[in-house]
This record gives sequence, structure tokens and C-alpha cells, in this order.
Amino acid sequence: AQTVTQSQPEMSVQEAETVTLSCTYDTSESDYYLFWYKQPPSRQMILVIRQEAYKQQNATENRFSVNFQKAAKSFSLKISDSQLGDAAMYFCAYSYSGTYKYIFGTGTRLKVLA
Amino acid sequence: ETGVTQTPRHLVMGMTNKKSLKCEQHLGHNAMYWYKQSAKKPLELMFVYSLEERVENNSVPSRFSPECPNSSHLFLHLHTLQPEDSALYLCASSQSVQSFTEAFFGQGTRLTVV
Repeated sequence: AQTVTQSQPEMSVQEAETVTLSCTYDTSESDYYLFWYKQPPSRQMILVIRQEAYKQQNATENRFSVNFQKAAKSFSLKISDSQLGDAAMYFCAYSYSGTYKYIFGTGTRLKVLA
Repeated sequence: ETGVTQTPRHLVMGMTNKKSLKCEQHLGHNAMYWYKQSAKKPLELMFVYSLEERVENNSVPSRFSPECPNSSHLFLHLHTLQPEDSALYLCASSQSVQSFTEAFFGQGTRLTVV
């Protein structure tokens, strides 16, 4: 069975500091995608970053980067220089090639302290 | 203009009421989705439409009835709901179901059943 696990229900970070959100997944597929979505208080899920499993290089989007460990089935999100606007729920999600289905984790609430 | 727009943002309804949720996408996508988001649970995929045809119905109770009159509009008709149906209902769209890469979400409708 394919599952996504986010073991940190809540995290806090000081403004301008760096924080890492954890995500592990389980799959027997070899071709798949991993995603981090942000859900701010406005409730709209916004794609933060995406990683194709066949790519060894870790994806990066400005202050957001991932540490993709395929063998360990780990996909953590690092947020550098945290800003107050980064406060949100963060969801890790998985989708395998050939399907439209996401499998989501339960989310991590990130608080940014001024 | 937001890519995926949902109305209403909030809805309170009694168990005997009939109401509808509306979703509209302005992205030229061919696939649309309804998700249910409950507290501390992963997002649950409810329905999937591809070019106005339903391709997935995830064992959703018949008190939820989807409708997709065209590829830009998606409705979720609600009747005789239960209090446990209270949740955030998210609409999403993607370019297609065959070549899925990512979904774009609306801001959701917060539904409370009293």
C-alpha cells in the first residue's frame, strides 16, 4: 500500500531561521512524483515544490529546497530565512506515474515566531 | 483572477437542507476533482471528472451528488447530510488525468452541518 507519513503535527521556527519538515512515504513504484503543498489560512493549497523520483538532484525553489532520499523513502522540506508569511499547514503528497491520484500526509502546522 | 474559484466560502446547513457547492476553473484544464479535508486526516479524493465524464467515485455516500456540465464547472449537490460531513471541501483541476503532473486547488468551502 502507498502511504505518506508526516510525523510532526506542529513545528515552530524563529523568523529568519531555517526549519526542516519531515515526510516519509512507502511505495513499490519506481516512477513517481513527490510534492509539498502549503495551505495558509486562506485555505488554498499552493504547490511549493515538486520532485520527480527519477531525478537525483534535489529540487529547489528560492528559499524552499528538498532533501530527497530515494532509498530511504524520505522527502523533507527545508525552508531557509523563514518569513511570517510561511506560517501555514504543509502537506507532503505522492503521485505515481500514470495516475491522477494524490496520496497526502496528515500535514504539519508551521508557526513562525517574530 | 484566481485559477480555481469555489463558492460559497462558508456554508451552514441543516440535515434536511439541499445545497450545492460550485467550482469554476479558468485554466483550460480537462480534469476536475472534489476532495474532502477533515481535521487531522489526509485529504480524501471523492470524485474525478475527465472531459465532463466521471472517472472515479470513491465509495462516496449518495447524499453527495456531483455534476460536471462542462470542463470549466463542477458542482457538488448536497442533501440530507450528517454532522460528520462537516469539513472543508476542496475543488481542484489538472490538465488531464492521463498526463497528470500536478493539481491546482481552490480555496475550499467550509461546510458545517447542524
